[in-house]
Amino acid sequence: AQSVTQPDIHITVSEGASLELRCNYSYGATPYLFWYVQSPGQGLQLLLKYFSGDTLVQGIKGFEAEFKRSQSSFNLRKPSVHWSDAAEYFCAVGASGKSTFGDGTTLTVKP
Amino acid sequence: EAGVTQFPSHSVIEKGQTVTLRCDPISGHDNLYWYRRVMGKEIKFLLHFVKESKQDESGMPNNRFLAERTGGTYSTLKVQPAELEDSGVYFCASSQQGRGSYEQYFGPGTRLTVT
Repeated sequence: AQSVTQPDIHITVSEGASLELRCNYSYGATPYLFWYVQSPGQGLQLLLKYFSGDTLVQGIKGFEAEFKRSQSSFNLRKPSVHWSDAAEYFCAVGASGKSTFGDGTTLTVKP
Repeated sequence: EAGVTQFPSHSVIEKGQTVTLRCDPISGHDNLYWYRRVMGKEIKFLLHFVKESKQDESGMPNNRFLAERTGGTYSTLKVQPAELEDSGVYFCASSQQGRGSYEQYFGPGTRLTVT
């Protein structure tokens, strides 16, 4: 069975600083990997996905993520955080028609 | 193109009552999923419809939960009778068939509070 670990429950960064959110997964085969964001009162929005090919994937809102098979990781990065990025972020692995999510990481952005 | 919609957005009911949640997927999406997030924990899979058929209901917690998708369009999730531990946010998602099935589009969720 697949599983996802997001080691950081809460992260605080200053506006303009860089960001990296960690995600480790467990899955027997090549996974389909996703990052979602949930802003207060909103649904889950897909930021980016990895299916195959280039291990560095670009997403919306200036986010990117790198798939590292050797480390079973799919960390999310952004070079310069904006106040509007404050939200909860979820990493997920898709397999057999369903997604398995991590516990989420809440991002706070300091002015 | 309209996204996935869910109704109601919030529901507060007493223990023992019945609640029905509705999900309207994106038009043309054969796959429909229900997920739930309880007490700030991870989002957990409940079940998966392909058109009107239940493909996988391994995540349904118990027989107090009943999901239907008549006609392969919208879906309902009924909780009867509701218990305190059913409180949480219920998400619906839909996706296309084939490889696109892994790209799921989520609705805003229904926040259920059982008192």
